[in-house]
Amino acid sequence: EDKVVQSPLSLVVHEGDTVTLNCSYEVTNFRSLLWYKQEKKAPTFLFMLTSSGIEKKSGRLSSILDKKELSSILNITATQTGDSAIYLCAVVWGSSNTGKLIFGQGTTLQVKP
Amino acid sequence: DTEVTQTPKHLVMGMTNKKSLKCEQHMGHRAMYWYKQKAKKPPELMFVYSYEKLSINESVPSRFSPECPNSSLLNLHLHALQPEDSALYLCASSPGQGTGNTIYFGEGSWLTVV
Repeated sequence: EDKVVQSPLSLVVHEGDTVTLNCSYEVTNFRSLLWYKQEKKAPTFLFMLTSSGIEKKSGRLSSILDKKELSSILNITATQTGDSAIYLCAVVWGSSNTGKLIFGQGTTLQVKP
Repeated sequence: DTEVTQTPKHLVMGMTNKKSLKCEQHMGHRAMYWYKQKAKKPPELMFVYSYEKLSINESVPSRFSPECPNSSLLNLHLHALQPEDSALYLCASSPGQGTGNTIYFGEGSWLTVV
């Protein structure tokens, strides 16, 4: 069965800490992996990663995919209270024209002042 | 601009009502999606439209009826819903239905069925 697993499920840190969120997948016909940040509304797109292994960066956030380990990490450095959210990992899979996403359970990050 | 707009933001409806959720994007995207998200759960795919044609229906009950009037609009018609259908309904779009395309979400419509 295709699945996407995120860890940890929840995390509490203090401002200024660095965090690493994990996403592993077992999916047939893997195409790409997406990271989203969700606060009290819809998911906001962060990164798209492919098997190329190219690291993506945006400010204090960075992410990379390890195709051998079938996993991806999302790093957040110098965390701020505004980083508190649920971080969702989703894998795009299937034939070239399905565009289906399988989501992980999400990691709830709380950043304390 | 990666904006997907949904209306209404909040909807309360009775089990005998008929209502609709609306979604609009002006990014020229050719694939549009409906997802359902329950509290503390990840989104679950309901429907995919590609080039205005329904391409995926994830065995959704017929009380949910999608419609794609044109390439910019996506509706979800609701009829005879149950309280367990209360959830956040997310519309999303992507440039195409191809798997290399990023999927962008709207802010969602919070639905409560009473």
